[in-house]
Amino acid sequence: EIVMTQSPATLSVSPGERATLSCRASQSVSTNLAWYQQKPGQPPRLLIYGASTRATDVPARFSGSGSGTEFTLTISSLQSEDFAVYYCQQFNSWPPATFGQGTKLEIK
Amino acid sequence: QITLKESGPTLVKATQTLTLTCTFSGFSLTTTGVGMGWLRQPPGKAPEWLTLIYWDDDVRYNPSLKNSLTVTKDTSKHQVVLTMTNMDPVDTATYYCAHRPTGGKFLNFFDSWGQGILVTVSS
Repeated sequence: EIVMTQSPATLSVSPGERATLSCRASQSVSTNLAWYQQKPGQPPRLLIYGASTRATDVPARFSGSGSGTEFTLTISSLQSEDFAVYYCQQFNSWPPATFGQGTKLEIK
Repeated sequence: QITLKESGPTLVKATQTLTLTCTFSGFSLTTTGVGMGWLRQPPGKAPEWLTLIYWDDDVRYNPSLKNSLTVTKDTSKHQVVLTMTNMDPVDTATYYCAHRPTGGKFLNFFDSWGQGILVTVSS
């Protein structure tokens, strides 16, 4: 089973600033990686798939990059609605598809 | 527009069997390339992938839970049913059904999710 590790666990950033979230895989997942955003009491929302393709209706301030074992989700200018928990998920080697433990993005 | 909704008991006792139903609209599970998954998320933790069922009745299970999971579909009712046997308090979680983007079976991420149902397992 591929283990996904996200860092940091909590990230404090001011609105308008840039946020960079990291995800590392225990072995290569190529670009078979997705990012999700989750707000309290809501299901995860797909943001990025294929490591860098934005899902439908996702704002351009969200971008994904990386391949192999190192991935990054960047939010270029944080809006108030972006403060949430973010998860990465690999789908290169499954079952099972596996998730990282999450990064909580909070207001500084 | 794709919608999904989970239904079933919110409280079960240890050793009992959990049966959850996902009722969906906006797509058909008879269309080639369509798939639906079940995932769960313990309070305060990351989601865990459980199972995926495809349009052709092919099913994949999480190996760590394979012996306790069964998933079936009823295309006429637009429903997918998850059964999980021998429930334990550690299985307390919000259970989600989710739609997988249409395409090759390799695609295993989810672009639409139900609101989830919190299932508590009492000892």
